[in-house]
Amino acid sequence: RKEVEQDPGPFNVPEGATVAFNCTYSNSASQSFFWYRQDCRKEPKLLMSVYSSGNEDGRFTAQLNRASQYISLLIRDSKLSDSATYLCVVWFPGGSYIPTFGRGTSLIVHP
Amino acid sequence: NAGVTQTPKFQVLKTGQSMTLQCAQDMNHNSMYWYRQDPGMGLRLIYYSASEGTTDKGEVPNGYNVSRLNKREFSLRLESAAPSQTSVYFCASSEGENEKLFFGSGTQLSVL
Repeated sequence: RKEVEQDPGPFNVPEGATVAFNCTYSNSASQSFFWYRQDCRKEPKLLMSVYSSGNEDGRFTAQLNRASQYISLLIRDSKLSDSATYLCVVWFPGGSYIPTFGRGTSLIVHP
Repeated sequence: NAGVTQTPKFQVLKTGQSMTLQCAQDMNHNSMYWYRQDPGMGLRLIYYSASEGTTDKGEVPNGYNVSRLNKREFSLRLESAAPSQTSVYFCASSEGENEKLFFGSGTQLSVL
């Protein structure tokens, strides 16, 4: 059972659209959350951290909902260059906290 | 600033051959990780090292061994490669638990 769930998509949107992804996680004791971007099987790159108070970076907004155990990523005014796979990472408690990835959500922005 | 360096970038092995994937980070991070990525499966944790001198199994450790050689280096060894180990392998590091991960550029491994 995958502990971090993402809709694989693809989400196919026109330029300028607003698109949102969710990522649900199974362990309420999880501490830290991040969104990563991955292009064409290259290495994942950090997009943003996710906080309960919300986090905004330009056109990107990330939110954490602890009560419902999900994180979200909102992209406004989509650009062609936003086309990529978006991965959520949740740190799960164990002997140590362990970073666990969702399977990723594919976004395709078209002209 | 190199960050996380992985070698090799590409490798083709025959079934039963052995090899070691090398990973080094220059950010003085305490924790290091090895992931594999297969189509439709996302990144799955093979082994990790929470701190120098410790290693632990992740989600998919069978067929692999690791060595945390020092604080900078964390290697992944395939003793007897199998076609099921064909994948893209990523090394990552972080300052510690619950921190941002930084990734190497990956190794594309094919086992024939």
